[in-house]
Amino acid sequence: DTEVTQTPKHLVMGMTNKKSLKCEQHMGHRAMYWYKQKAKKPPELMFVYSYEKLSINESVPSRFSPECPNSSLLNLHLHALQPEDSALYLCASSPYKDNYGYTFGSGTRLTVV
Amino acid sequence: TQLLEQSPQFLSIQEGENLTVYCNSSSVFSSLQWYRQEPGEGPVLLVTVVTGGEVKKLKRLTFQFGDARKDSSLHITAAQPGDTGLYLCAGAPVGSSNTGKLIFGQGTTLQVKP
Repeated sequence: DTEVTQTPKHLVMGMTNKKSLKCEQHMGHRAMYWYKQKAKKPPELMFVYSYEKLSINESVPSRFSPECPNSSLLNLHLHALQPEDSALYLCASSPYKDNYGYTFGSGTRLTVV
Repeated sequence: TQLLEQSPQFLSIQEGENLTVYCNSSSVFSSLQWYRQEPGEGPVLLVTVVTGGEVKKLKRLTFQFGDARKDSSLHITAAQPGDTGLYLCAGAPVGSSNTGKLIFGQGTTLQVKP
């Protein structure tokens, strides 16, 4: 299995809702990432997990809360988002200590209304 | 702050033409990757280059890593409409192997018209 699977593919949520994005990989990768991407722009790093521990938080607002329940799963919990948080949220994974490229998921298209 | 300057940002060409996309930095990278992204999908890794001066070919795509490992180029020969997409270069800063953090260029939106 050489894929990163993200669910849901599309999500519309109100500013008072709580929702979660899910990401799963079975490649044995020990580093997992959350990125945010606006249209025609490069991905912006949000969080990095290495061996299930949060290693990088790029000063992301607390309304985004990551969680890594095990080495295959990565969640992003969303609460009280703003319309400007609407974007494509990408999960990626890579072998730890091998910075030779990520495998990205297809992303979750999030719209905050 | 390490930056990767990618150019051009937009490119619209006819089928059959050749093109080159550049990524430049004043910083040294331990590796550099190129990704292609289609609308509504995640980026897909095309190639990773790790050795200064390295050249890799993937069908009609040729990737080069600069001798000093500060720059890279992607050349497409005889572009086809299926090459349309957002091309991203991404570099792994020296010493980043324990974080996995990549620096992304701003991207090149390529449109190949039939």
